[in-house]
Amino acid sequence: SQQGEEDPQALSIQEGENATMNCSYKTSINNLQWYRQNSGRGLVHLILIRSNEREKHSGRLRVTLDTSKKSSSLLITASRAADTASYFCATRLDLGYSGGGADGLTFGKGTHLIIQP
Amino acid sequence: GAGVSQSPRYKVAKRGQDVALRCDPISGHVSLFWYQQALGQGPEFLTYFQNEAQLDKSGLPSDRFFAERPEGSVSTLKIQRTQQEDSAVYLCASSLLAGTYNEQFFGPGTRLTVL
Repeated sequence: SQQGEEDPQALSIQEGENATMNCSYKTSINNLQWYRQNSGRGLVHLILIRSNEREKHSGRLRVTLDTSKKSSSLLITASRAADTASYFCATRLDLGYSGGGADGLTFGKGTHLIIQP
Repeated sequence: GAGVSQSPRYKVAKRGQDVALRCDPISGHVSLFWYQQALGQGPEFLTYFQNEAQLDKSGLPSDRFFAERPEGSVSTLKIQRTQQEDSAVYLCASSLLAGTYNEQFFGPGTRLTVL
């Protein structure tokens, strides 16, 4: 079963605009990660945010995490055609002890992002 | 540099056949994961190895699925008596260390089609 759910399912924007994707999840997490998947490069890790963090930046990416609402958002600024891909949030479930996270990641269904040139 | 490789990239099987999917993780990576990705869905966790030990197989959908990593490097996912619902992309990932915060590096996947 998949615990995360991305919103929207699909998003089409013009090159240069910002893209925002949201992810909601159901159970307590140890950390949340965002991945990108396209046919050329497969599934690639973008950024990880721990459950005690609220915001993180990496280049043109900004991730927020609100554990009270069990939600996260991924912002891609100044989008490029090469950003066209599917984006997945993936959670590492909290096993209830310090540093303890489930072995595997639990992925959502993804947001398909299209950047129009 | 070599990433995670998987073979074959594509496999077509007749229902009832057995298949074996291979994963070569990044050299020296302790942790190895298998995921199943159905069309239009996100990957779903199948099983996890730390070196040669299979520590978690909670995601394997049935006893027709079996995975091994006998020497702590290459891993094989075997599916016996394949069914049409087994059609999916099977992804392998590895990470350098065990532990919650280690990045997983994914291979290109094996696309299995069961006719």
